[in-house]
Amino acid sequence: GIQVEQSPPDLILQEGANSTLRCNFSDSVNNLQWFHQNPWGQLINLFYIPSGTKQNGRLSATTVATERYSLLYISSSQTTDSGVYFCAANTGNQFYFGTGTSLTVIP
Amino acid sequence: NAGVTQTPKFQVLKTGQSMTLQCAQDMNHNSMYWYRQDPGMGLRLIYYSASEGTTDKGEVPNGYNVSRLNKREFSLRLESAAPSQTSVYFCASSVFRTVDTQYFGPGTRLTVL
Repeated sequence: GIQVEQSPPDLILQEGANSTLRCNFSDSVNNLQWFHQNPWGQLINLFYIPSGTKQNGRLSATTVATERYSLLYISSSQTTDSGVYFCAANTGNQFYFGTGTSLTVIP
Repeated sequence: NAGVTQTPKFQVLKTGQSMTLQCAQDMNHNSMYWYRQDPGMGLRLIYYSASEGTTDKGEVPNGYNVSRLNKREFSLRLESAAPSQTSVYFCASSVFRTVDTQYFGPGTRLTVL
């Protein structure tokens, strides 16, 4: 299967700061998704983004499929943004998750 | 709409015992999935069902069986639980397998002693 690598593994931000999370994948993918796992364990989908750029409020994502990476931007971070951010890549019949970026936003 | 529901929320088993994890979705989705999440790791796909009546292996299928009971329900069975199966299990669904986002249930925390 493909390798999905996320960086950084951990991130601590002051409330109001901006951040960029990166997801690299080792082969061509059918689609790429970003998820947020909150401190209670619930997984929420953020973006379905096989290519191009999407924005949703303070969050936006860009996938450059030809260069095999995706970026998640968080602007004006809030304490409720804390949790783990996962990217997941689909190739054929399989879905592969990265190991996540753990984000802590402090007041 | 409840979205994706899972039962039970927590379960403790002894080695060798069997159990079935239940999952149901009310979004009329075609595809359903079972994942496991181990500490410090991302999710790994166990089995999926692209549509009613079909099931296929994911990345880590050994020790598990699944049943797509109908369009709404997808169950995961552990026939003889092992400590290595201690994990959090998530069910998910999507409209179609490869071209749509997945929606996750709240998870089942399973401990095998």
